[in-house]
Amino acid sequence: GDSVTQMEGPVTLSEEAFLTINCTYTATGYPSLFWYVQYPGEGLQLLLKATKADDKGSNKGFEATYRKETTSFHLEKGSVQVSDSAVYFCALSEDAFGNEKLTFGTGTRLTIIP
Amino acid sequence: DTAVSQTPKYLVTQMGNDKSIKCEQNLGHDTMYWYKQDSKKFLKIMFSYNNKELIINETVPNRFSPKSPDKAHLNLHINSLELGDSAVYFCASSHPRSGGAYNEQFFGPGTRLTVL
Repeated sequence: GDSVTQMEGPVTLSEEAFLTINCTYTATGYPSLFWYVQYPGEGLQLLLKATKADDKGSNKGFEATYRKETTSFHLEKGSVQVSDSAVYFCALSEDAFGNEKLTFGTGTRLTIIP
Repeated sequence: DTAVSQTPKYLVTQMGNDKSIKCEQNLGHDTMYWYKQDSKKFLKIMFSYNNKELIINETVPNRFSPKSPDKAHLNLHINSLELGDSAVYFCASSHPRSGGAYNEQFFGPGTRLTVL
């Protein structure tokens, strides 16, 4: 079945550092790809998405490009802030009888220190 | 206004008890979901309902029974609670996919269930 593998955390960076969180996927079809973020004590929020190969999703300074040839969707940000501290989930979706079934990676906890 | 709400936020109970978690969405979505997040933060879908009809059931023990009285509500009832049921349970909702276009899922704040 479909699966998502993302780099293990936790990741600790200094403010203004460059961030990369790796994500690769396995899918039989042509999934859509997502990054969700979970801030402490809150539910998941969609951070960005890409629905086809070579699409780039971006939001709040974060970017990720759908690479079909390497089955990857790595998350990047050029200069992180303390407020970016959260758990980040890579996910893919497939159409299950007209509904969205999200398959998540294990999550990467990111801590930014001032 | 809260889009997807869950009650209670915290639930502590003894093994063997029966408990329910409620979820309501005011987004007008037709599809609702339950996800389980374990202690290692691994998040996995449990159920999906579309217009009160069960669509996805991901090999969840039959002690877990979702109930959808209307399309704005999807409650989760758990019988004979076990230690391994301790987790955070998230409700989510979305419009159903149409024409191949993805529709974002909106998540509730989660219910932390602790079974002693």
